[in-house]
Amino acid sequence: QQQVKQSPQSLIVQKGGISIINCAYENTAFDYFPWYQQFPGKGPALLIAIRPDVSEKKEGRFTISFNKSAKQFSLHIMDSQPGDSATYFCAATDYNTDKLIFGTGTRLQVFP
Amino acid sequence: EAGVAQSPRYKIIEKRQSVAFWCNPISGHATLYWYQQILGQGPKLLIQFQNNGVVDDSQLPKDRFSAERLKGVDSTLKIQPAKLEDSAVYLCASSLDRLTLPFTDTQYFGPGTRLTVL
Repeated sequence: QQQVKQSPQSLIVQKGGISIINCAYENTAFDYFPWYQQFPGKGPALLIAIRPDVSEKKEGRFTISFNKSAKQFSLHIMDSQPGDSATYFCAATDYNTDKLIFGTGTRLQVFP
Repeated sequence: EAGVAQSPRYKIIEKRQSVAFWCNPISGHATLYWYQQILGQGPKLLIQFQNNGVVDDSQLPKDRFSAERLKGVDSTLKIQPAKLEDSAVYLCASSLDRLTLPFTDTQYFGPGTRLTVL
C-alpha cells in the first residue's frame, strides 16, 4: 500500500516531442505528489509538485496531471530537449507517516 | 545559497569493514534525511531527524547501520560491518522544518556517496 508504481522504466523521445511518465498509488493518505529530476552523479532535485485538491499544475514545459479517483498522476514534458535527458522519479508523501515514497524511476533520453 | 554537502563522494570497501558518511545540510534546515538508492531504484528513506532527535528510523537496519546528528546540524551515517548488498548511493537531504511547517515539503538532496562493497 505504501508503493508508488512508475512507468515506463525508460523512454526515448525525439527533440521537440512530448515525454509522458505515469505513476499510480494505492494509499489514500498520500497528500503531496512531487516529481524529482536526477542527472548522473547528482542528487534528485525537485522539478514540480501537486496536491490532490487540483487536477493539473503547469510550470513552463512541465505539467502534472492528477486523477484522484483513479489514484494516478503523470508528468508531461512538452517540447522535450536533449538537456531534459535524466532520470525522473515520481513520489508521494503520506500525511500520517510524513515519509516520502519514491517510484522506481524513468530514464528519459531525448535525441536531437 | 549553499546546497547539501556530502563526503566522501566515493568509497570502496571490502565486506565486513566499516564505513562512515558525513552530511552538512542547508543552513537553517531542521529536518535531515538519509536515503539509500540502489542502482535502478528510487531512494528509500533510512532515517529522518528533526533537529537532533530521530523522527523515523523504521527502515534502518539497526544491527549494522547507525546515524547521529548530535548538535542538530551535521550528521553521520555509519555501516558496521558492511555487506555486499549495502552497495548503493547514500543520499542526504534536508528541509526547513516538516513538523512545524507542514507544507514546507521540499527536500533538497546532496550529491550522494557511492559505496561499493567488494
